[in-house]
Parts: sequence; structure tokens; C-alpha cells
Amino acid sequence: DTEVTQTPKHLVMGMTNKKSLKCEQHMGHRAMYWYKQKAKKPPELMFVYSYEKLSINESVPSRFSPECPNSSLLNLHLHALQPEDSALYLCASSQGPGQYEQYFGPGTRLTVT
Amino acid sequence: DQQVKQNSPSLSVQEGRISILNCDYTNSMFDYFLWYKKYPAEGPTFLISISSIKDKNEDGRFTVFLNKSAKHLSLHIVPSQPGDSAVYFCAASPRFERPATGTASKLTFGTGTRLQVTL
Repeated sequence: DTEVTQTPKHLVMGMTNKKSLKCEQHMGHRAMYWYKQKAKKPPELMFVYSYEKLSINESVPSRFSPECPNSSLLNLHLHALQPEDSALYLCASSQGPGQYEQYFGPGTRLTVT
Repeated sequence: DQQVKQNSPSLSVQEGRISILNCDYTNSMFDYFLWYKKYPAEGPTFLISISSIKDKNEDGRFTVFLNKSAKHLSLHIVPSQPGDSAVYFCAASPRFERPATGTASKLTFGTGTRLQVTL
């Protein structure tokens, strides 16, 4: 079972809204990731959580705030976004030490109006 | 600074023939390489991977070749099927190190190649 789930599938929000994206995996993976993907571009790493602790922040603006409540869940809190933040937001997980393969969820298509 | 490049943005292949997708990298610290397939509006799906200690890895119709001296890898799909039509990304990771990154792998993705398999 290599399933990573993400909700919602689609989200439209105004620039003054606060919303959250959710990601869940039940594979016992100990690392979880947020990526952003724009059309015709590769996924760009945003954040990495390792054993529920933030280990990598790729200089992401503070209007994106990640949270890892437990080893199965990963949230991305959104506040005061800009239209250029519209993209596909992907969550991924990987097993643990020495395991390079990351397994992706279906993504949340975010539109900021 | 694109450390992983896929120079062919698109490729069209007839059903039953071989598809060859290429990927070049510049960072000599990359030690592990992966291929992902992506359909529109879906997340990337892991296909196959290879460690730098190997030069070939095979899984069913998919084979990945690695040429370390040329910093080049390729994905061969034989025979190609219409369901293989998707965007393919190669990805690379430096050697897994602890405790700097703990349990996390850090992938750098290529720009993608759109494969179309025609009937």
C-alpha cells in the first residue's frame, strides 16, 4: 500500500482568506514533504518533516505555514496568499533511513483569486 | 541553475516500439536516481530507481541505465503502450546522510518529458 491522500482536491480562496491543506499516510513513513508544482514545471520542494520535526524549509514565504500533528498527518496552513501562489500542491512521504523513494499524493489544485 | 535536465520536452513513439527518455545531471554529489510518471491533475507515481553503484536496473517493461562518467541516465520502455502516455520526470538525490537530513531524502527533479504513445 503506497497511498498518500490529500484534501481537498480543489480549493479556491481569496487573498484575505485562511485555509488549510491536509495530507495523510498510513504506511508508517517517517518523512513527509510539501511540494509546489506550476504548469509545465517540475515539483519544487517547500518543506520536509522528519520524525515530525521540520528539517528543511526551502526559504518559503511565511504565508505558508506547515504543521505535522503526528507521524501520519501533515498540514499546510495558508494565509494572505497571492495569485502567483496558484499551483498544484503535492504531499509526499518516504519510509526512513536509506530510503530515497518518495510517494506522492494526488495533490490539491489551489487557485488564489 | 538546473542541476537535472531533460532536454527533450516531448517524445512521440508508436505503440509496441521502444521509448527512450533521457536525463542529464551536473551535480557529482548525486548518488541515487529515480523516474516518476505523471498524469494530468495527479501526483507523480514512482516507477523505477537506480543507485550509483549500478549501471542498469530492470523492472518489467522499464529499464533504467546510468552512465556516471557522462552524468547521464535513460529510461527505456519496451514495448510502449498507449497507457504510458504521460509526463516523465527524472529525479536525483545526494547520498543519504544523517544526521544532517535525518530520515528525509531530498530530490531534485528534471524538467520533464511528455511521452505520447500513438496507435
